[in-house]
Amino acid sequence: QVQMEQSGSELKTPGASVKVSCKASGYSLSSFSINWVRQAPGQGLEWMGWINTKTGKPTYAQDFRGRFVFSLDTSVRTAFLQISRLKIEDTAVYYCVRDLTTCAFDFWGRGTLVTVSS
Amino acid sequence: QSALTQPLSASGSLGQSVTISCTGTGSDVGTHNDVSWYQQRPGKVPKLIIYGVNQRPSGVPDRFSGSKSGNTASLTVSGLQGEDEADYYCLSNAGNYMAVFGTGTHVTVL
Repeated sequence: QVQMEQSGSELKTPGASVKVSCKASGYSLSSFSINWVRQAPGQGLEWMGWINTKTGKPTYAQDFRGRFVFSLDTSVRTAFLQISRLKIEDTAVYYCVRDLTTCAFDFWGRGTLVTVSS
Repeated sequence: QSALTQPLSASGSLGQSVTISCTGTGSDVGTHNDVSWYQQRPGKVPKLIIYGVNQRPSGVPDRFSGSKSGNTASLTVSGLQGEDEADYYCLSNAGNYMAVFGTGTHVTVL
């Protein structure tokens, strides 16, 4: 069965970096893109961008250009989200999701809570 | 890219229907049929309930239906049940390999 297995919660201080992993299984990795979605505490869903699993090319939403990097290691079927120069307002749950077709996010990871606190 | 506009809240009685709107622009909802809807119960992961404007994934009850007119997409939940109380979000293709979520609607079942 399809699974998107994410790494565990992280507690970081402002200015640090964090790398979240998302291991995909149960399907052909290159057949579907992987998207990233952010949800701050008590807030709505924000689309962060996606990574093309055939080419490894990332695409970022406007608000996520600069400190956010998507990457892919196909040998271990894992996508990564790295956030540098963390800010308090980056505190959120970060989801990786499989895109069945354009904008049809059918399988979601459990989410990784990143807490940024001094 | 601004978030698509959804009402903050909606409600309906058990067994009745509720419709949620999702208003975008001619660059997203108005142009693309890649509109999906997600249900998020408290403390849970969002779940895909409609994609491609009006397609239901396997296992989603036919009480959930989607439509689109112009720049506005809509989700209708018929025969409301207690388990339908949740937050609902729309998502649309915004062109240039971009996407955008709606602001979210909390549905209360009375």
